[in-house]
Amino acid sequence: EDKVVQSPLSLVVHEGDTVTLNCSYEVTNFRSLLWYKQEKKAPTFLFMLTSSGIEKKSGRLSSILDKKELFSILNITATQTGDSAIYLCAQLQTGANNLFFGTGTRLTVIP
Amino acid sequence: GAVVSQHPSWVICKSGTSVKIECRSLDFQATTMFWYRQFPKQSLMLMATSNEGSKATYEQGVEKDKFLINHASLTLSTLTVTSAHPEDSSFYICSATSGGAKTQYFGPGTRLLVL
Repeated sequence: EDKVVQSPLSLVVHEGDTVTLNCSYEVTNFRSLLWYKQEKKAPTFLFMLTSSGIEKKSGRLSSILDKKELFSILNITATQTGDSAIYLCAQLQTGANNLFFGTGTRLTVIP
Repeated sequence: GAVVSQHPSWVICKSGTSVKIECRSLDFQATTMFWYRQFPKQSLMLMATSNEGSKATYEQGVEKDKFLINHASLTLSTLTVTSAHPEDSSFYICSATSGGAKTQYFGPGTRLLVL
């Protein structure tokens, strides 16, 4: 049984498009939801979301958490080829500090 | 920002040999380190959690006698894959967190290929 589920699994868009990536999670021991970008190596941190309804923004990327519906979205506007990567969301649980990763969304941005 | 290094970055070994992977926190003390494994086109799977000075906690399905984890200091954790087999070929990533930190800092990963 998957704790964190991401959709879509893969996505191909053209440069300049806007994309929305989805992540649903379990409520059990929930503390925070994190988004990472993974290119060829280890994931790099994007956002950590703890409170519902508060958008976090960094350049063309933004993310928001809905704790009532147990999901988060990651938006990327005006996509560039450098945005091509796997985007992972992970649930951070209380107590053990464990991160449970979703399956990831593979985004490909074509010129 | 916090930096975590891993060594080696890639390793090729023969089946049956043991491989040690080091994970170091370079500019902070890591009270907890995590080891993940990632197979091609799959997500990161947590293998074990190690706290400095105590035994690691392994996730279900991960053999503790095969994947030996040592966290002897606040800046170093090692993962030893004993008697490696081709199915152990994977991308191994560590992450570290310090007391009170809300995020984990990932190392660059180690690609293991067992022939």
